[in-house]
Amino acid sequence: GAGVSQSPSNKVTEKGKDVELRCDPISGHTALYWYRQSLGQGLEFLIYFQGNSAPDKSGLPSDRFSAERTGGSVSTLTIQRTQQEDSAVYLCASSQGATNEKLFFGSGTQLSVL
Amino acid sequence: DAKTTQPTSMDCAEGRAANLPCNHSTISGNEYVYWYRQIHSQGPQYIIHGLKNNETNEMASLIITEDRKSSTLILPHATLRDTAVYYCIVRVSDSGYALNFGKGTSLLVTP
Repeated sequence: GAGVSQSPSNKVTEKGKDVELRCDPISGHTALYWYRQSLGQGLEFLIYFQGNSAPDKSGLPSDRFSAERTGGSVSTLTIQRTQQEDSAVYLCASSQGATNEKLFFGSGTQLSVL
Repeated sequence: DAKTTQPTSMDCAEGRAANLPCNHSTISGNEYVYWYRQIHSQGPQYIIHGLKNNETNEMASLIITEDRKSSTLILPHATLRDTAVYYCIVRVSDSGYALNFGKGTSLLVTP
């Protein structure tokens, strides 16, 4: 595709529910990142996938958060038993290989936990 | 820890040059300086990066001091659409580590 695509663009859920956020990276990009951004804050790194290597999960805030990347392309970020503090914009980015100087970001998913 | 220090906010008049400073006094010899910006309600956008030489592209110029402890991003003729948060990041290229964004500088371009 022309750019990184994220869906849904907005998600409202109730506390305690599970949510899945989807990211379609740019075709051919082997590196994929998830960040989140709380209101008025900077970007917080969550997880990084590079090719077939084990993902870097060092940024995941708790075991309620998980992500997978199937077939080296589409990625899904799952948040279980959502809490109000999970409310944020979740941003996905992709880049070409390990020389990831230039990240291309999607427009994000605005998650609101009521 | 973003390893960089930037002013929280800056103003610039439309048509003038915007000079955004960044301090990175603990930068290592193999770390690059990257600049991204984030316009409201959008994902961040890559602007430019460099190691020690000054760099220029269609968006901006990057001036890195000789000791590499600081740098300046220059938008030569700022427009209202350049109003955004600008992030300065240092990172080893090809390291396989994710970019660590800090709080950035909120640039307001005024008419």
